Amino acid sequence: GAVVSQHPSRVICKSGTSVKIECRSLDFQATTMFWYRQFPKQSLMLMATSNEGSKATYEQGVEKDKFLINHASLTLSTLTVTSAHPEDSSFYICSARDRSSYGYTFGSGTRLTVV
Amino acid sequence: QKEVEQNSGPLSVPEGAIASLNCTYSDRGSQSFFWYRQYSGKSPELIMSIYSNGDKEDGRFTAQLNKASQYVSLLIRDSQPSDSATYLCAVSLNSGYALNFGKGTSLLVTP
Repeated sequence: GAVVSQHPSRVICKSGTSVKIECRSLDFQATTMFWYRQFPKQSLMLMATSNEGSKATYEQGVEKDKFLINHASLTLSTLTVTSAHPEDSSFYICSARDRSSYGYTFGSGTRLTVV
Repeated sequence: QKEVEQNSGPLSVPEGAIASLNCTYSDRGSQSFFWYRQYSGKSPELIMSIYSNGDKEDGRFTAQLNKASQYVSLLIRDSQPSDSATYLCAVSLNSGYALNFGKGTSLLVTP
């Protein structure tokens, strides 16, 4: 089945630094990648949608200059959290849309802790 | 704001019983409906998708959709302790659109 590899699984960074999260579709072409954030005891909240080769579309309230998304190829999308602060600590999950099916495949998630 | 509502629970059922999970959604234009299971600290796993009114069965799981009532449910038969997790209902307008998730229902299956 379709697999999305997400790295790193856990990261701890200092406040003010940047962190990059990668999602790769291993056996299919992901024309669309969705990035979600999940705080404890909360549901997944959509942050942005990116289509290969295009600029990402951000949800209301999500700062595009803080959460940089790159989707330069059909198999790789990255989310960079710039100038991270403790309130950015969360579980970040990507979800890839397979162009040949109706499926949404989720990455394994990245636990970000900003100290 | 398009809402997907779920009872947060916890829903506690004894092993072997039927667990019934419910979800309502506000956007009448929604066409695709999904149930995911999420263990603590893990990514969601797809259990079932349903697109048409009625029932869809897959093993111990049955999804039910009623678009007129804007209601979707998940039944788990012969519940096992390993089914204990948070169950997320997700809705999208159509294929290609992002999923809108409910807050999830915590299910506890007791031995």
